[in-house]
Amino acid sequence: AQSVTQLDSQVPVFEEAPVELRCNYSSSVSVYLFWYVQYPNQGLQLLLKYLSGSTLVKGINGFEAEFNKSQTSFHLRKPSVHISDTAEYFCAVSDSGNEKLTFGTGTRLTIIP
Amino acid sequence: DGGITQSPKYLFRKEGQNVTLSCEQNLNHDAMYWYRQDPGQGLRLIYYSQIVNDFQKGDIAEGYSVSREKKESFPLTVTSAQKNPTAFYLCASTQKGQGIRYTFGSGTRLTVV
Repeated sequence: AQSVTQLDSQVPVFEEAPVELRCNYSSSVSVYLFWYVQYPNQGLQLLLKYLSGSTLVKGINGFEAEFNKSQTSFHLRKPSVHISDTAEYFCAVSDSGNEKLTFGTGTRLTIIP
Repeated sequence: DGGITQSPKYLFRKEGQNVTLSCEQNLNHDAMYWYRQDPGQGLRLIYYSQIVNDFQKGDIAEGYSVSREKKESFPLTVTSAQKNPTAFYLCASTQKGQGIRYTFGSGTRLTVV
């Protein structure tokens, strides 16, 4: 069974500063990795995903993530954040033969003007 | 536009009453999922269904029941046996065999008083 760890429950960042949201996973098989964003009282929206190929994945809203197999990590980054990036971010994993997603506990990103 | 509709958005019930949350999709997706979201705990899988008239328990199925009589519909009943039903409930769907592309509904916030 796979699991996902998001160590940072809250991350405050000044506007226009860079941000990194950390995600580590554990799995005994090949995995697919995802980042989702959730705005208050809404569903989840896919930011980006890694299925195979290039380890650097670019997503929507200027976000990117890098798959690091040796460190079992999939950290999310943005070089310059905006007030509108204030939201909760979830990392998720699925083993490559299964469509069930396992989610981390989420990181609340707060942008400080 | 295709999507997932969850209704109602807010739901209040008295303790001891069963309540049914609606989830309808017009995406022609085969698989549907119910997640429960609590602060600091991320999303936890309650039930999922990969085909009509079949469903499986997720990680926290106790106190919940589902049905899948039609491809488009996957209602979730929160029974009186669920000890802590107040939460945000999210429904999702995906098409089997086309990679993992989850579509989420906008959620139902259930408050039991």
